[in-house]
Amino acid sequence: GQQLNQSPQSMFIQEGEDVSMNCTSSSIFNTWLWYKQDPGEGPVLLIALYKAGELTSNGRLTAQFGITRKDSFLNISASIPSDVGIYFCAGYDSNYQLIWGAGTKLIIKP
Amino acid sequence: DAGVTQSPTHLIKTRGQQVTLRCSPKSGHDTVSWYQQALGQGPQFIFQYYEEEERQRGNFPDRFSGHQFPNYSSELNVNALLLGDSALYLCASSGHTEAFFGQGTRLTVV
Repeated sequence: GQQLNQSPQSMFIQEGEDVSMNCTSSSIFNTWLWYKQDPGEGPVLLIALYKAGELTSNGRLTAQFGITRKDSFLNISASIPSDVGIYFCAGYDSNYQLIWGAGTKLIIKP
Repeated sequence: DAGVTQSPTHLIKTRGQQVTLRCSPKSGHDTVSWYQQALGQGPQFIFQYYEEEERQRGNFPDRFSGHQFPNYSSELNVNALLLGDSALYLCASSGHTEAFFGQGTRLTVV
């Protein structure tokens, strides 16, 4: 099925470091969503973005809806052990179908 | 608010059998979408139900069918199970924009 281009695939970071990941699409999206998924669980919505250029924060998380409407990024500041997991971007296309990235796996080095 | 609930949480079936998975949406949500998530992959859209009708469908064979009831709850049916159908099946409910997920049903076909 159709997917967004999400990068990086995985990240190994030290606790306390900042994290950045992004998603790009070849077509325009109307809404961008960022989810976190823990093993064996369903994805949990972190941030929703509705307008081009929108910058939204949720605690240590910040996400932006790209001006071109074809990309979005998610930043996590001062990472902590519970940030470990897989982060997915998702966006509603013009048919209001939710399209997903392949995920970014975040691993914190001890 | 109970959120999105799915049942069962785990299931083991034999090739060729049929399976029914169930989903109760978040209170106030009228749209239910089903996704298949293989290990290490992002969710793949199966179909979406709104007002008891299938509104959109992803690239899945007719062996995958569904139903939505007047109370907005939904079922996913898979016939003639194949080994490749083993996956985490996620249900998401949505109102206008944000999609919220259940914890998923882990289906193993042996």
